[in-house]
Amino acid sequence: EAGVAQSPRYKIIEKRQSVAFWCNPISGHATLYWYQQILGQGPKLLIQFQNNGVVDDSQLPKDRFSAERLKGVDSTLKIQPAKLEDSAVYLCASSLWHPQETQYFGPGTRLLVL
Amino acid sequence: EDQVTQSPEALRLQEGESSSLNCSYTVSGLRGLFWYRQDPGKGPEFLFTLYSAGEEKEKERLKATLTKKESFLHITAPKPEDSATYLCAVLRANQAGTALIFGKGTTLSVSS
Repeated sequence: EAGVAQSPRYKIIEKRQSVAFWCNPISGHATLYWYQQILGQGPKLLIQFQNNGVVDDSQLPKDRFSAERLKGVDSTLKIQPAKLEDSAVYLCASSLWHPQETQYFGPGTRLLVL
Repeated sequence: EDQVTQSPEALRLQEGESSSLNCSYTVSGLRGLFWYRQDPGKGPEFLFTLYSAGEEKEKERLKATLTKKESFLHITAPKPEDSATYLCAVLRANQAGTALIFGKGTTLSVSS
């Protein structure tokens, strides 16, 4: 079974530029999550989708971050404009339906903002 | 405020030297506790889920236990390939939704 796919794996941008990350969850998984992991910290949930609807985006900095999952499968996370403090690994995860079920993580996208 | 604290931050062991990692939590509406392993440059890999106090799960050299306030990950006779960061996360449910709250992790180094 294929795991969660993410691209790109690495991205370096200047502050105030925009960037987008892509995630393809495990086939059949209805729930998709985006996490931010700053160096030395545990992952922090940014947004949770169930199919193509947003379930929880309480931790998403909406003035600069946006995410969508238009057809209930793939998802994109965008940052515009980026700040230095956005340097982190952005992890995508998926689960069958409920968060109580196991969440499976992708390899992450490592973002460096200069 | 929901909080997950892991200790120690870093642990160095000799091969075969057993030890335990601690995860203490304060969370309203606990729905489960998860242990993940994270290797450098990779995403977290699922290890265990525990749902109620007294529950235990085992996998190879790892054993996870849960009480009402904390969880332990016991590592018996570790090998160098067990070197990784071990993350603890609690699933909390409140008005904002149901979400995993992660600790900062314990970085384990096992030398031969």
